[in-house]
Amino acid sequence: QSVLTQPPSASGTPGQRVTISCSGSSSNIGSTFVYWYQHLPGTAPKLLIYRTDQRPPGVPDRFSGSKSGTSASLAISGLRSEDEADYYCATWDDSLSANWVFGGGTKVTVL
Amino acid sequence: EVQLVESGGGLIQPGGSLRLSCAASGFTVSSNYMSWVRQTPGKGLEWVSIMYIGGSTFYADSVKGRFTISRDNSKNTLYLQMNSLRVEDTAVYYCARDLQEVAGLDLWGQGTLVTVSS
Repeated sequence: QSVLTQPPSASGTPGQRVTISCSGSSSNIGSTFVYWYQHLPGTAPKLLIYRTDQRPPGVPDRFSGSKSGTSASLAISGLRSEDEADYYCATWDDSLSANWVFGGGTKVTVL
Repeated sequence: EVQLVESGGGLIQPGGSLRLSCAASGFTVSSNYMSWVRQTPGKGLEWVSIMYIGGSTFYADSVKGRFTISRDNSKNTLYLQMNSLRVEDTAVYYCARDLQEVAGLDLWGQGTLVTVSS
């Protein structure tokens, strides 16, 4: 059972916009930044979004992050076939001893 | 090239020990916070341990007392010593450069698989 709750799957056709939600609480998302990672099985996870809405160099502006209260979202606009991957949200939780807490991951399928 | 390469995974019986290595290139391990994160089969990511620049270490409750994180500055390598392994420790283990709130886990290795089974 993950501390952060994500839908297990999301899908869209090429060019569509897909949004992934990440639900937490006042002790995690509600009080700090959110981070998003893209992971293709067998490869190294990749940082997509840091500090809730910032993109590292090289990450396309098709990817955007936002937060409202105790929930965060990752939006992928102009969906492309190479976006098919698992996406994880992450943050800290003041009530736990864990340094990082993650969502359970969302598998994005490009139809 | 800036990268992390893990090694040391394998098949081990319950109660056994294993040491994972994470060799860094392109940056200095001892000048960064470094974390281990694992992905269990069919499940998501779980943070395991962190070593601070100053040498302080912290662990997830699930591994506390059994796992030890360390580093060898001369080899620019991070380690995870895993003792008293349990079936539930079966996972792909990743090391990551941990920039904390500044920029998250910004660099990851490709992972090494640890299978604990009799």
